[in-house]
Amino acid sequence: GQQVMQIPQYQHVQEGEDFTTYCNSSTTLSNIQWYKQRPGGHPVFLIQLVKSGEVKKQKRLTFQFGEAKKNSSLHITATQTTDVGTYFCAGSEGYGGSQGNLIFGKGTKLSVKP
Amino acid sequence: GAGVSQTPSNKVTEKGKYVELRCDPISGHTALYWYRQSLGQGPEFLIYFQGTGAADDSGLPNDRFFAVRPEGSVSTLKIQRTERGDSAVYLCASSFGQRKYNEQFFGPGTRLTVL
Repeated sequence: GQQVMQIPQYQHVQEGEDFTTYCNSSTTLSNIQWYKQRPGGHPVFLIQLVKSGEVKKQKRLTFQFGEAKKNSSLHITATQTTDVGTYFCAGSEGYGGSQGNLIFGKGTKLSVKP
Repeated sequence: GAGVSQTPSNKVTEKGKYVELRCDPISGHTALYWYRQSLGQGPEFLIYFQGTGAADDSGLPNDRFFAVRPEGSVSTLKIQRTERGDSAVYLCASSFGQRKYNEQFFGPGTRLTVL
């Protein structure tokens, strides 16, 4: 079945350093979504990528979808303590009504030392 | 309006008991999803509803798990003969199901502990 792998599992950075997490799928995806989960909280949607090679930016966050639509990355520039949390990628093979089956990676837990 | 709500927030039960977990989606969202999240893991897909019907229940681990959404809004996840391995946070999410790609809005989850 479809699997989504995410690395690294943990990342500890000094405030101001950059951070990147990588996501790889065993199958071609129709779209990939990124979520952030703060400690003790629930996943919160960040962004969705649907086009091959797509790059989207949200302030200090840059999201990329691979050309083959099997991998993705999230890069944070100049991390802040507010960036602390676990970042999940979640992929789907389907469209529309069958898009509901999102497969989540195990997440990358980011800690930021002030 | 309000976000996705889930009740109870915590549920402690004994092995072998029956439990029901409730999810109230965002008003107007036709799609509803159940996930299970264990410590240190990502959410694991269980079942997805489009309206009243289960569009995909391939993630339900076995026949002890069942979910309903009789009026296309509130959903209940039912677990029979609970086992210690069922202990996890059960997350519910909803989305606008008719769009081609749908961001999911998660509720706070129900933490289930089976003793």
